[in-house]
Amino acid sequence: DAGVIQSPRHEVTEMGQEVTLRCKPISGHNSLFWYRQTMMRGLELLIYFNNNVPIDDSGMPEDRFSAKMPNASFSTLKIQPSEPRDSAVYFCASSSLGSGANVLTFGAGSRLTVL
Amino acid sequence: QKEVEQNSGPLSVPEGAIASLNCTYSDRGSQSFFWYRQYSGKSPELIMFIYSNGDKEDGRFTAQLNKASQYVSLLIRDSQPSDSATYLCAVNDNRLAFGKGNQVVVIP
Repeated sequence: DAGVIQSPRHEVTEMGQEVTLRCKPISGHNSLFWYRQTMMRGLELLIYFNNNVPIDDSGMPEDRFSAKMPNASFSTLKIQPSEPRDSAVYFCASSSLGSGANVLTFGAGSRLTVL
Repeated sequence: QKEVEQNSGPLSVPEGAIASLNCTYSDRGSQSFFWYRQYSGKSPELIMFIYSNGDKEDGRFTAQLNKASQYVSLLIRDSQPSDSATYLCAVNDNRLAFGKGNQVVVIP
């Protein structure tokens, strides 16, 4: 298995631009999570999906952030418009509901820099 | 109070010694607890998880859980330079909440 695949690995953009981060979960996993990691705040859960349905988006910072999961093999996290404070590493992770432990497998992350 | 707290600063241990990491959590209803390791510039990877009070051992790693006191700890025996990383504690209450992590440096 190729694991959780994220793209792009690095993104540098200017304030005000739209940013789209992409994630392909592990085949057969039915839960998908988006996290953001910064030195100051650590690893924060933004949103998670079960069976493609958003369950908890209370961690999404504000309306500039949106996430979709149109099918079991693809999810996007969009920031529009981007701001310098959005600079962080964004991780996507997936797991298999019913595994009992809800063990997450993380992607390699997308490092976003907003100038 | 933050859901999961890891308050210790960077931990330096000599090679071969025991590294001890602690984590406290706020939700008494939490059922499962995890330790992840994150190397610099990499993504977190699972070391082990624990459900029940007491100790769980996996190789050189031992997780300890005390639900009454709401803490979970990780012991790394015979520490190796390859153990140098940030260790993240996580607690599952349907959504996995992470602590900010503790950096461990193993000195050869």
